[in-house]
Amino acid sequence: GENVEQHPSTLSVQEGDSAVIKCTYSDSASNYFPWYKQELGKRPQLIIDIRSNVGEKKDQRIAVTLNKTAKHFSLHITETQPEDSAVYFCAASPSGSARQLTFGSGTQLTVLP
Amino acid sequence: DAGVIQSPRHEVTEMGQEVTLRCKPISGHDYLFWYRQTMMRGLELLIYFNNNVPIDDSGMPEDRFSAKMPNASFSTLKIQPSEPRDSAVYFCASSNPAAGGAEQFFGPGTRLTVL
Repeated sequence: GENVEQHPSTLSVQEGDSAVIKCTYSDSASNYFPWYKQELGKRPQLIIDIRSNVGEKKDQRIAVTLNKTAKHFSLHITETQPEDSAVYFCAASPSGSARQLTFGSGTQLTVLP
Repeated sequence: DAGVIQSPRHEVTEMGQEVTLRCKPISGHDYLFWYRQTMMRGLELLIYFNNNVPIDDSGMPEDRFSAKMPNASFSTLKIQPSEPRDSAVYFCASSNPAAGGAEQFFGPGTRLTVL
């Protein structure tokens, strides 16, 4: 089955700096890669996703890049703000309509004011 | 829509007791997923349903766990008998990929503590 590895497990940045979180996946058939943000005590919520026919996608301060050859994808957050502090999960989904997700282990991002 | 609804939000029980967690997916969503979240193991998929039919239950840890979806608007996850190692946050999520949306919408979760 699919295996998703995520790094780093913790990340601290100064407010205004950029943050980068990286994930690798094992199943070359995976073609959907979402990122979820989970604030303390809350539910995971989708913040951005990318499909295998796209190399990069951007939404305001967040962007995701995908390298299918190397089987890795990354989340980039620019101009970080204290409210960006949360746990971020990457995930990968095999082909098919179910979108069954395998999650990475999560990255605790702390933005220091 | 109110989103995915889960109940109870918190459950404290003693080892050996039966626990039933409930989920109401978003109306019109035909996929329903049950996840367990712990610090040690992260977010694990336990089981998922499509049109009320269980598709993959390979993530269910053992026979003490069972899940049902008697209709499109209700699902249960049952643990019998419960053990302290079952303590975790259990999330239910739903999606409607056929409508072009691959996003899974999570419920608020049930925090289970087994003493």
